[in-house]
Amino acid sequence: NAGVTQTPKFQVLKTGQSMTLQCAQDMNHNSMYWYRQDPGMGLRLIYYSASEGTTDKGEVPNGYNVSRLNKREFSLRLESAAPSQTSVYFCASSTGQGADHFGDGTRLSIL
Amino acid sequence: KNQVEQSPQSLIILEGKNCTLQCNYTVSPFSNLRWYKQDTGRGPVSLTIMTFSENTKSNGRYTATLDADTKQSSLHITASQLSDSASYICVGGLFSGGYNKLIFGAGTRLAVHP
Repeated sequence: NAGVTQTPKFQVLKTGQSMTLQCAQDMNHNSMYWYRQDPGMGLRLIYYSASEGTTDKGEVPNGYNVSRLNKREFSLRLESAAPSQTSVYFCASSTGQGADHFGDGTRLSIL
Repeated sequence: KNQVEQSPQSLIILEGKNCTLQCNYTVSPFSNLRWYKQDTGRGPVSLTIMTFSENTKSNGRYTATLDADTKQSSLHITASQLSDSASYICVGGLFSGGYNKLIFGAGTRLAVHP
């Protein structure tokens, strides 16, 4: 039982490059979330998906896009990476009452 | 402004000792208060979730308390173990925009030394 799986675990990009962070959950949860965690700060919500087929902006959505591919998968895309997007990105899923299960994160550095 | 503040920022204790971590929250409309444990290099793992009507909840050696009047919560760790070394994150939940929005504190980093 894997829970929430994120790929890749680490990534280094150059400014302006694009990439997609992948997330999949095997708990049949309706809701999925993307957060970023920066040093000295709490996790901040980027985007969320309350159910398959729906997505909504969170607290810090600028520079990101998401796709809820199906009930299991929720991807986060950086179209043109900027150094300010250097962070640790966490995907989470829940039954709809807030984030319950987190993946182990993607550590992203943008040079 | 919705916010969660935790203290201390960091803490060192000896194995076997007890400790208490503090959390002050301003979250409205308040739905629930959560504590998570985050090991280095891993994602947060839920320890407890309390609604406004609950004032204490335990999970093994972890006991969380909630005072909804003063908007304070604490996490008490009993008989600490080396594996308790981690960051502990206090999270306030509120209903906003049709979903349960979570406001995360910055965490308390706990180091348990032998």
